[in-house]
Amino acid sequence: QVHLQESGPGLVKPSGTLSLTCVVSGGSINTNTDWKWSWVRQPPGASLEWIGETYARGKSDYNSSLRSRVSILVDRSKNQFSLKMDSMTAADTAVYYCARKAYDKLWGSYYFDQWGQGILVTVSS
Amino acid sequence: EIVMTQAPATLSVSPGERATLSCRASQSVSSNLAWYQQKPGQAPRLLIYGSSTRAAGIPARFIGSGSGTDFTLTINSLQPEDFAVYYCQQYNDWPHFGGGTKVEIK
Repeated sequence: QVHLQESGPGLVKPSGTLSLTCVVSGGSINTNTDWKWSWVRQPPGASLEWIGETYARGKSDYNSSLRSRVSILVDRSKNQFSLKMDSMTAADTAVYYCARKAYDKLWGSYYFDQWGQGILVTVSS
Repeated sequence: EIVMTQAPATLSVSPGERATLSCRASQSVSSNLAWYQQKPGQAPRLLIYGSSTRAAGIPARFIGSGSGTDFTLTINSLQPEDFAVYYCQQYNDWPHFGGGTKVEIK
């Protein structure tokens, strides 16, 4: 079974840039082009928000509300993908999860089937 | 943007009883609906996808139903490990999650 593990700083200064990495183990990130590799965040005490994802041949899609500040890239040689978010504010304080989306062949769409444990990122000076 | 609304926000249930959780979409999502369970300090865990298909290893007491805009997650004979927060999520469009329902011990 595939395992996802986030890593990165737990503290980011206001106006700074967040950089997180998700290492995928137990399977190749290249194996199945029906998978998408995503980032999701959860502010303290709140629900979940999809940030964006990367998939076949390095394509990426982003939440429209975050698109101007976010970049998600894949490094297939290291079997990992990354998140970069600029202009961080206190409102970006959250647990950040990396997750895999699997293809629902019956309905032709994707759902999250595997999640990393999450990493708490606090934006503070 | 498709808005997902879950009700109730909190559900108090005794162990062994049935819990019924509701999720409503602001527009039709067909059957592109998933349910997740989240316990404190843990990542969400996939329970149901395609509105009614249980994910691998999920007990049969978890039953998903519905299509279009109205969905239900039924948990029969609640076990101690089932007390958690449950989220619905549509994937007909860009992913959107509901606000969650906390199932607590009565």
